Amino acid sequence: DAGVIQSPRHEVTEMGQEVTLRCKPISGHDYLFWYRQTMMRGLELLIYFNNNVPIDDSGMPEDRFSAKMPNASFSTLKIQPSEPRDSAVYFCASSLGVRSPLHFGNGTRLTVT
Amino acid sequence: AQTVTQSQPEMSVQEAETVTLSCTYDTSESDYYLFWYKQPPSRQMILVIRQEAYKQQNATENRFSVNFQKAAKSFSLKISDSQLGDAAMYFCAYRTRQGGSEKLVFGKGTKLTVNP
Repeated sequence: DAGVIQSPRHEVTEMGQEVTLRCKPISGHDYLFWYRQTMMRGLELLIYFNNNVPIDDSGMPEDRFSAKMPNASFSTLKIQPSEPRDSAVYFCASSLGVRSPLHFGNGTRLTVT
Repeated sequence: AQTVTQSQPEMSVQEAETVTLSCTYDTSESDYYLFWYKQPPSRQMILVIRQEAYKQQNATENRFSVNFQKAAKSFSLKISDSQLGDAAMYFCAYRTRQGGSEKLVFGKGTKLTVNP
């Protein structure tokens, strides 16, 4: 089992640029989550999918953020345009059903200058 | 909305000693799941232990055990025989079974230091 795979591991970009974060969940998992972690706000849920369908996107900060899951093995989180306050670690996680725990990727550390 | 509270921002323990990390949660549901995750400096999120609300028996995983008090909505983590490798941030988390709200809600975390 390869685990949840996120790319890139680090991303440094300038304000105003588009950023795309990628996630491959564990094969067979039907839930996928995007979290953001900062010192000030801790771990915040941005959005989650069930069977590729977005269920709750109430945590998406604003229209600059968008997430897609075109198939069961791939998801993207896009920020356009990026701002310095978007700097954080972004985690993707997946789970099989509701009973099982979330399995996290190694996260993407985003720095917007 | 469900909330998870970890009242200890930081804790320290001597190597080989026992430490307990506190967690309380707020919910009106009767069926849910509770978890403790560990995040070392590598930032990887590692599952430590899980508890199903309908099970009265407290979960244990080697040196890690929980004290689950459903009526009090309390879910503390006990680490026995602490090791240097236990130093990390520890997050308590809650997950409901109800459709449309199956997300995992985290507490703010407790930073555990293990002193040699």
